[in-house]
Amino acid sequence: NAGVMQNPRHLVRRRGQEARLRCSPMKGHSHVYWYRQLPEEGLKFMVYLQKENIIDESGMPKERFSAEFPKEGPSILRIQQVVRGDSAAYFCASSPPSGFETQYFGPGTRLLVL
Amino acid sequence: GNSVTQMEGPVTLSEEAFLTINCTYTATGYPSLFWYVQYPGEGLQLLLKATKADDKGSNKGFEATYRKETTSFHLEKGSVQVSDSAVYFCACPNAGNMLTFGGGTRLMVKP
Repeated sequence: NAGVMQNPRHLVRRRGQEARLRCSPMKGHSHVYWYRQLPEEGLKFMVYLQKENIIDESGMPKERFSAEFPKEGPSILRIQQVVRGDSAAYFCASSPPSGFETQYFGPGTRLLVL
Repeated sequence: GNSVTQMEGPVTLSEEAFLTINCTYTATGYPSLFWYVQYPGEGLQLLLKATKADDKGSNKGFEATYRKETTSFHLEKGSVQVSDSAVYFCACPNAGNMLTFGGGTRLMVKP
């Protein structure tokens, strides 16, 4: 059973460009979570999605950030017009419908904004 | 909401030394508690968990006991190895199914 997959693992963008981060949950998992880790800090929750629904986006900046989890395909975290402060590691986690408390993390996407 | 506080690092130990990383929680009720480990350049791996008060989670020689009297979930290992060098995060679930993490404790084990 493959784990949570994220790509790309590393992403470099210039200020003003768009960043698209993808996450494929573990097989059988229908809940996806995105977290951000700034350098030398812990993880901060951004958004929680189920298939075709955003359940909780209370941790996501109101502007420039969006997330989706379509019926088919991976979950996408999209950052428009990136700024240097967006440089961070972005982690996706998934959980099964019955056990949302235990979340399994992907390897992360490390975004560097030049 | 629920929260966890863990000791700041870095913690530097010699191989085979005893490890304790402190974690205390503030919560409504008795939520599950977790320890995650992050090796350099990698994502978080679930190390162990405890789902109710007085439970002990254990894995790979690490242990943590859910103590409601002291609201603690300290991580311990009797004899650390160089390969245990990593950042350790204490976590608990919060409203909306999110996990709330402590700030992380970096462990460095010297041969």
